[in-house]
Amino acid sequence: DAKTTQPPSMDCAEGRAANLPCNHSTISGNEYVYWYRQIHSQGPQYIIHGLKNNETNEMASLIITEDRKSSTLILPHATLRDTAVYYCIVRAILTGGGNKLTFGTGTQLKVEL
Amino acid sequence: EAGVAQSPRYKIIEKRQSVAFWCNPISGHATLYWYQQILGQGPKLLIQFQNNGVVDDSQLPKDRFSAERLKGVDSTLKIQPAKLEDSAVYLCASTTGLDGGNTIYFGEGSWLTVV
Repeated sequence: DAKTTQPPSMDCAEGRAANLPCNHSTISGNEYVYWYRQIHSQGPQYIIHGLKNNETNEMASLIITEDRKSSTLILPHATLRDTAVYYCIVRAILTGGGNKLTFGTGTQLKVEL
Repeated sequence: EAGVAQSPRYKIIEKRQSVAFWCNPISGHATLYWYQQILGQGPKLLIQFQNNGVVDDSQLPKDRFSAERLKGVDSTLKIQPAKLEDSAVYLCASTTGLDGGNTIYFGEGSWLTVV
């Protein structure tokens, strides 16, 4: 499985953009980058995913470098409710035909006033 | 659209007892996953189903854990006998298929405490 590396924690002021980095230098050509977040006592919430191109939805933007070895999740206007653990995941393709998300320890984002 | 449903939400049992968790995936989702999340760690995959067949169960402790998805829709995860280290959140997730671009959605989880 391609490993991901994220900073253990980050702080962000409310209303400012939160930029969460992720390294995935061993990613394969057909593997997607996914971002989830998890607020205590809740299940992981899907945010966004991408393969090669930058992606944007109502929650966030995903910027993937041209060599695909790293990516950045951008929350354009962070609010207190965005405080959570953010997981960057490379979706691995299994030899048996399946695929799975392998979670690391993620980045604890704390949004403050 | 209804999300992934799980029950029970919370369960406390004594060690060596058995417990079962139920999951109903999003309608039409052929692929179903069970994950285990120990406090302070990221979720770890236990088993993956495609319809009613097992795709990957390499990380399922088969001496005590079992899972089934007999009709290819809802699924049950069982632990028997439970150990203290099984205390965790058990997350069910589903997606439409095995393509890497299909979003995987998670349920709220079933919290297990073994005392």
